[in-house]
Amino acid sequence: GENVEQHPSTLSVQEGDSAVIKCTYSDSASNYFPWYKQELGKRPQLIIDIRSNVGEKKDQRIAVTLNKTAKHFSLHITETQPEDSAVYFCAALNNNAGNMLTFGGGTRLMVKP
Amino acid sequence: NAGVTQTPKFQVLKTGQSMTLQCAQDMNHNSMYWYRQDPGMGLRLIYYSASEGTTDKGEVPNGYNVSRLNKREFSLRLESAAPSQTSVYFCASSQREGMNTGELFFGEGSRLTVL
Repeated sequence: GENVEQHPSTLSVQEGDSAVIKCTYSDSASNYFPWYKQELGKRPQLIIDIRSNVGEKKDQRIAVTLNKTAKHFSLHITETQPEDSAVYFCAALNNNAGNMLTFGGGTRLMVKP
Repeated sequence: NAGVTQTPKFQVLKTGQSMTLQCAQDMNHNSMYWYRQDPGMGLRLIYYSASEGTTDKGEVPNGYNVSRLNKREFSLRLESAAPSQTSVYFCASSQREGMNTGELFFGEGSRLTVL
């Protein structure tokens, strides 16, 4: 089955700096890569996703890049703000093999004012 | 619009007791899921139901059973609770269109402690 590794497990940045979270996956057939944000005590919510037919996707201050050859993808947050503080999860799925979305272990991002 | 609703929010059990976590969604989604969340281990899929009438095992199904009661409801049962099942459980739903799995919408979570 799919295995997703996520690094770092914790990340502390100053407000205004950029943050990068990296994930690797094992199943070369995976073709869908979402990122979820979970604020303290809340439910995870989708913030951005990318499919295997593109290499990069942006949405305001967040962007995701995908390298299918190396089987890794990354989340980039620019101009970080205190409200970006949360746990971020990457995930991978082979859409042709059903609905089993496999999550990474999560990254706790702390943005210091 | 309630989205995904799961009950109870908190539960304490003794080893060997049984319980059922209930989940309902009002978005007319075809797929539903049960995940458990443990520190440092992300979200691990227990069981999922791609459509009404079907259920499949995920990564960590041992010790659990599920029922897709109808399109709206998907329950998770612990027949004989063990301390290793202490966790936060999330129900989620999504609309799968053809070969594309859509966004997962999560419930608020159920915190279960097994003593």
